Amino acid sequence: GAGVSQTPSNKVTEKGKYVELRCDPISGHTALYWYRQSLGQGPEFLIYFQGTGAADDSGLPNDRFFAVRPEGSVSTLKIQRTERGDSAMYLCASSPRGSNEQFFGPGTRLTVL
Amino acid sequence: EDQVTQSPEALRLQEGESSSLNCSYTVSGLRGLFWYRQDPGKGPEFLFTLYSAGEEKEKERLKATLTKKESFLHITAPKPEDSATYLCAVGNFNKFYFGSGTKLNVKP
Repeated sequence: GAGVSQTPSNKVTEKGKYVELRCDPISGHTALYWYRQSLGQGPEFLIYFQGTGAADDSGLPNDRFFAVRPEGSVSTLKIQRTERGDSAMYLCASSPRGSNEQFFGPGTRLTVL
Repeated sequence: EDQVTQSPEALRLQEGESSSLNCSYTVSGLRGLFWYRQDPGKGPEFLFTLYSAGEEKEKERLKATLTKKESFLHITAPKPEDSATYLCAVGNFNKFYFGSGTKLNVKP
């Protein structure tokens, strides 16, 4: 079956611009996670959805970052007024109900010039 | 806050040369320790979950073990295709903390 997909695979933007990153989880998976990974580091937790609601958004670095999952499937990570420090790989993962096993997507490489 | 430290940062092995990677953690209460493999430019791939001290799991040339304060990923007779970054994470259903990983390079 299809795995987790993320679009776009690469995004180059200018400082101050707004960007949206999309995640399509595995069909039927109820849990969805967003992470940010810088070069040479492990993924850093951003936000966790169970269904449509954000069950834990404590990893969002500031109010420029926001994520939604309106129908409990596709999720969008939104970054306002991008800064050069936002440049990183943004990873999405999903899990089936009752499982800790996370299935990761290929990521979106964001570059802020 | 839960913290995860992995060592070494990088490891070079000859094909067939067995070794171990370390993951130490500080948690208020272990709710699961996870091992992932990550190839360059790709998302992490799930390998193992361990929940209690003394637990062991195996998959091909890999074996993961868990004590109260650390976990080891043992690689037996590695092959060049085992070259990747191996990540360790601790957490629960809500939140996971990852280490920085060990970059393994297996030379033929």
